[in-house]
Amino acid sequence: EDQVTQSPEALRLQEGESSSLNCSYTVSGLRGLFWYRQDPGKGPEFLFTLYSAGEEKEKERLKATLTKKESFLHITAPKPEDSATYLCAVQAMNDYKLSFGAGTTVTVRA
Amino acid sequence: DGGITQSPKYLFRKEGQNVTLSCEQNLNHDAMYWYRQDPGQGLRLIYYSQIVNDFQKGDIAEGYSVSREKKESFPLTVTSAQKNPTAFYLCASSMGSIVTGELFFGEGSRLTVL
Repeated sequence: EDQVTQSPEALRLQEGESSSLNCSYTVSGLRGLFWYRQDPGKGPEFLFTLYSAGEEKEKERLKATLTKKESFLHITAPKPEDSATYLCAVQAMNDYKLSFGAGTTVTVRA
Repeated sequence: DGGITQSPKYLFRKEGQNVTLSCEQNLNHDAMYWYRQDPGQGLRLIYYSQIVNDFQKGDIAEGYSVSREKKESFPLTVTSAQKNPTAFYLCASSMGSIVTGELFFGEGSRLTVL
């Protein structure tokens, strides 16, 4: 069974204080690893797809990286508007569904 | 604007009642999904549909039912058989019949059982 574990559960940052979120996964043949952002009371919003170890994707202050066992979401010089819950999900080969982690809730204080 | 519309946003139900959550999309996506989100847990797949008039059970389908009579619509019924229905329900869609990972989500429906 596919498993996705995100850490830490919560992260409080000062504005400008860079940090990283971790997503550890076990899957029988990775098709893709995905990062989403979710604001309170809203649906998740797609951020990145990573397909193979060594791949990196960037969007504004966010950078996602992938190894064979985990992915990191690096937040560089965060701003208060980066406050959200960040979800990680994996999809196995020959599977139509995504398996989601519980998320990391990031709070950035001005 | 294209997107997914879920309604109602908030719903209260008495025990023993069935309720139906609406999900409509105008993205022309083939595949649609229903997820359930509980505090401290990852999203869990209830049902998914890759094409009209066809759908498959996800990981937690017991106590739920769906239909896919139109490409744009994928309503979810929470039946009285669902023992713990209080949760945040999310509808999603994706291009094509194979998940590419980029799911488009609606704003969600929060169901509370009184």
